[in-house]
Amino acid sequence: DIRMTQSPSTLSASVGDRVTITCRASEDLRSWLAWYQHKPGKAPRLLIYKTSTLEIGVPSRFSGSGSGTEFTLTISSLQPDDCATYYCQQYSDYIGTFGQGTKVEIK
Amino acid sequence: EVRLVESGGGVARPGGSLRLSCVGSDFTFEDFGMGWVRQGPGKGLEWISGINVNGGTMGYVDSVKGRFTISRDNSKKSLYLQMDSLRGEDTALYYCVKGRGRLRNDAFDLWGQGTMVIVSS
Repeated sequence: DIRMTQSPSTLSASVGDRVTITCRASEDLRSWLAWYQHKPGKAPRLLIYKTSTLEIGVPSRFSGSGSGTEFTLTISSLQPDDCATYYCQQYSDYIGTFGQGTKVEIK
Repeated sequence: EVRLVESGGGVARPGGSLRLSCVGSDFTFEDFGMGWVRQGPGKGLEWISGINVNGGTMGYVDSVKGRFTISRDNSKKSLYLQMDSLRGEDTALYYCVKGRGRLRNDAFDLWGQGTMVIVSS
């Protein structure tokens, strides 16, 4: 199975900061990588699919990039509503795997 | 409203069984792959099983292979997860998820609210 490694596990930043989360895969994913936002008590929300395509309704401050085995999620200007845990997920293989998650906090 | 509603969670003994169900509303259920994702207490998300549009191909994570069975009934817009030989480590909130396409593994653009499974003696 493909292993996904996310970093950092926790991130603390100020409102307005640019924030980057990295996800590394044990195999080439081509572009089959998604990002989710998960807030406590709510269902996870798809933010980005196929590495860089923004899901409908997701604010444009979120962006994704990468290829092969290294991918990034960037929040261009962190907002209070962005406090959440973020997960990457590969869907290149017939078995899916998620990264361990990155908890984003406001300083 | 486009949504997924899970049911069937509860408390089971180790070695016992539970059957989870998920009903989809306001989308063409038979056009999309579906799956189950779980989150154990204090843990991250874990993909556990997926099924393609017609139920012809399924996939399972190693930890549930041989114990869990995924199935679907497109006439009832329903997805199921039969969980046998339950273990303590299966305790989790189980989410029903809809794929963006027809395959058993995909990006998931619709999630249910989850149903809780507790395995305890």
